This record gives sequence, structure tokens and C-alpha cells, in this order.
Amino acid sequence: AQTVTQSQPEMSVQEAETVTLSCTYDTSESDYYLFWYKQPPSRQMILVIRQEAYKQQNATENRFSVNFQKAAKSFSLKISDSQLGDAAMYFCAYRRGGAGGTSYGKLTFGQGTILTVHP
Amino acid sequence: GAVVSQHPSWVICKSGTSVKIECRSLDFQATTMFWYRQFPKQSLMLMATSNEGSKATYEQGVEKDKFLINHASLTLSTLTVTSAHPEDSSFYICSANDLYETQYFGPGTRLLVL
Repeated sequence: AQTVTQSQPEMSVQEAETVTLSCTYDTSESDYYLFWYKQPPSRQMILVIRQEAYKQQNATENRFSVNFQKAAKSFSLKISDSQLGDAAMYFCAYRRGGAGGTSYGKLTFGQGTILTVHP
Repeated sequence: GAVVSQHPSWVICKSGTSVKIECRSLDFQATTMFWYRQFPKQSLMLMATSNEGSKATYEQGVEKDKFLINHASLTLSTLTVTSAHPEDSSFYICSANDLYETQYFGPGTRLLVL
């Protein structure tokens, strides 16, 4: 079974600084997707970034970028120029690729990291 | 991105009553939707996978008779908590995959059983 581990229960950063959230995963699959989701105090889950395992290039979305190390099964999220609105709980998630099967489409989540942004 | 709605956003009910939560994909069709439960400051726990036109697939340990799921159309799935008890109080979230296989989440429903 696939597992996702976020080893940092809490992180903090000063406004305008950069912070990196860690995520490791374990899988025997070669085709899969990785995601970072943000859950602010409203508790609405918001997709931050998505990475396909077959792509070597790291995904970026504005101030958010990932460091995808497939061999090491590591998928960290870097937030640059942190803003107060970035304060939230961040979840790393895994989904296997391909179609069909009982686990099709299911996400496996990490434990989450609470990010605090200090003004 | 795609939009998923949930209704109601919060509900308070008496112990022993049933509560229905609706999940809709507003701008796309979803053959598969997912229902999660989340406790404060914890991760999401998958309860079941809702399949349009067929029975839901429940995760191990989730009571099928307690949490009834109906996927009536390609844009609507419902979760009914039957004979609710205080321990069923939680935050329930639904989600759906768009055609690009990215999962989008509803805003969640806070359930409080008195």
C-alpha cells in the first residue's frame, strides 16, 4: 500500500521569506501523481500544485514550486515570498496513475503540516 | 479549476435522526466522487468512493448501514448519516475528479449531533 509522510507537524515563516515543506512517499508504482493541497481556516481544500511522475521538470505555480526527487521518493513544496494568506494546513497527496481498479482515483494523504506566517 | 458544492454547510441534529448531505459537481460530470471525514487538525480520512449508477465502495471500518451513499447522477452524490449519534459529529468533505484526473473538493459540512 502507498504511504505518504509529512514529518513536520508545524512550520513557521516570516512574511516575505521562503519556506519548504517536506513530503516523502512510498510506492511500487511507476505511474502516479503527486499533489499539494492547502486547507485554510475555512477548511476548504484548495489545490496548490500537481506533479506527474513521468515529468522530470518540477511543477511551478507562481510563488509555489516543488522539488520532485523520484528516486528518493521525495516531493517538497517551496513557498517563496510568503504572505499572510499562505497560513494554512498543507497536505501532500498521492494518486496512482492508470485507469480502473479498486483504488482508481483515490488520494492518499499525508498527516499535514500547519504553516504559520508571522508579519 | 472545477467547482464542487456541498449542502448544507453546517447542520445540527438530535441523536437518532438522519441527516443527508449533498455533493454536486457544478461545471463538470463526475462518474466518481469521494466522501471524507476530518477531525480538527487531522488529515482527511476516506470513507467511501461513490460510483454513478452502482454501489459505493466503502473503506475498511466504515459502516455501510450507517453512512448511506447514493450517486444518483453524474453531478450529484448524497451521503446520509442514519440514526446519528454524538460520535458521528465531524466535518464531512466530498470531492470529485475532473476529466484531467485532478480531485477538487467541496467546502465541507459541519455536523453536530446533540
